[in-house]
Formats: sequence, structure tokens, C-alpha cells
Amino acid sequence: ETGVTQTPRHLVMGMTNKKSLKCEQHLGHNAMYWYKQSAKKPLELMFVYSLEERVENNSVPSRFSPECPNSSHLFLHLHTLQPEDSALYLCASSLDRGPYEQYFGPGTRLTVT
Amino acid sequence: DAKTTQPPSMDCAEGRAANLPCNHSTISGNEYVYWYRQIHSQGPQYIIHGLKNNETNEMASLIITEDRKSSTLILPHATLRDTAVYYCIVRGTSGTYKYIFGTGTRLKVLA
Repeated sequence: ETGVTQTPRHLVMGMTNKKSLKCEQHLGHNAMYWYKQSAKKPLELMFVYSLEERVENNSVPSRFSPECPNSSHLFLHLHTLQPEDSALYLCASSLDRGPYEQYFGPGTRLTVT
Repeated sequence: DAKTTQPPSMDCAEGRAANLPCNHSTISGNEYVYWYRQIHSQGPQYIIHGLKNNETNEMASLIITEDRKSSTLILPHATLRDTAVYYCIVRGTSGTYKYIFGTGTRLKVLA
């Protein structure tokens, strides 16, 4: 595997379910990001991790819970979501937090029913 | 981070150069200009970035005006696979380092 991978690619869940999204980067980067892209809206940054430490949380509801066990893996734990949370969730990584280009995964298309 | 303005859509004939403009009139001295593109429902792809000088790589060229208030991304020989939304982002070297994605330019390459 190369680059940034995300699993699953598609997920349908009910509002009472608990699920997790997984991201893995094979680039040796130190920073990882979660973005949300709702239909016809710009990408919104959700969380930033640098060397496994959360350095930014952009007022994301607590029903989204990130986890970064090491610099290669990033999870987004989901529970009691709302239909408006349906979106494309994108993971990205960069060499570090500085002004470096970000490399994105293919995304997880989430549908909340 | 400075705000950017891009046209919502553009068409380009296959094989011709695609010139995508971006205005960033409030850019400050330490802010870089980045370009990404997003092909339908995929993750954004990094294209190129620059500070003052023009830049070129295997994908594109970036032309930044002398006053740095605008830039142009040039795809020299557009193909159908270049059909995508192109985002111009201005980002500094301090602070939170986060990208602020706008709505971009939807480029359609026509056969």
C-alpha cells in the first residue's frame, strides 16, 4: 500500500450505531488530519494531530471522537450521529504541521439513516 | 489566512492549455499559494505551490504576479482526466497551518 488509505470506503449506519473510520498513511509523515465534505460545500477541517497529539479541534460535536495511536494511524469514532452528518470524510497527512503539502486519502462516504 | 476568489467554472478544449486564475489581494508576505484539485468524489490532490517565483512541475505551472495579489495555474495540455474542481489556497507559515478550502473552479475539459 502506498500513500494514504481509508477504510471503509462506504458506510451506512443508523443513528444509534457506533462505528469507526480508519486512516493509515505510508509516507512517514508526522501530521494527520480529518476533514468533512458535505454535499456542495467546501471541505471543513475537523481535527489535526501532530506526533499523535491533537493540536486542533474545530468545534466538532462530541459524537465525533478522534484517536491517533501512532503517527501512521488515525481513527474517527462515530456514535449517535444525525442524518446531517452524512458526508465524505477525508483523511490527510503532511510531513509536519508546517506549510507542507497535504496528501489525501480517497475518503469514506458516510450515510446516516 | 488570506481569502481567495476563483471563477466558479471554466471550459477548456482537450489538448489546449487551461489557465485557471485566482485572486488573493489580501495575501501577506509569508503566505504561500497552493493549488489542489478534486476529481469527483475523490480526495483532493496536491498540484503545486509557490511563494513569489513562478514554479513548474510535471503537472502544472504556477504564475504569481509581481505584487502577489493574483496567480494563474496552467495545465499546458489539458486532457479529459483533468476535469475536476481546482482549489487555490493561501496559507501562512505560522499559526494553525490549516488550509481553508473555498468552492474552487470547476474545470471541464471538452473533447
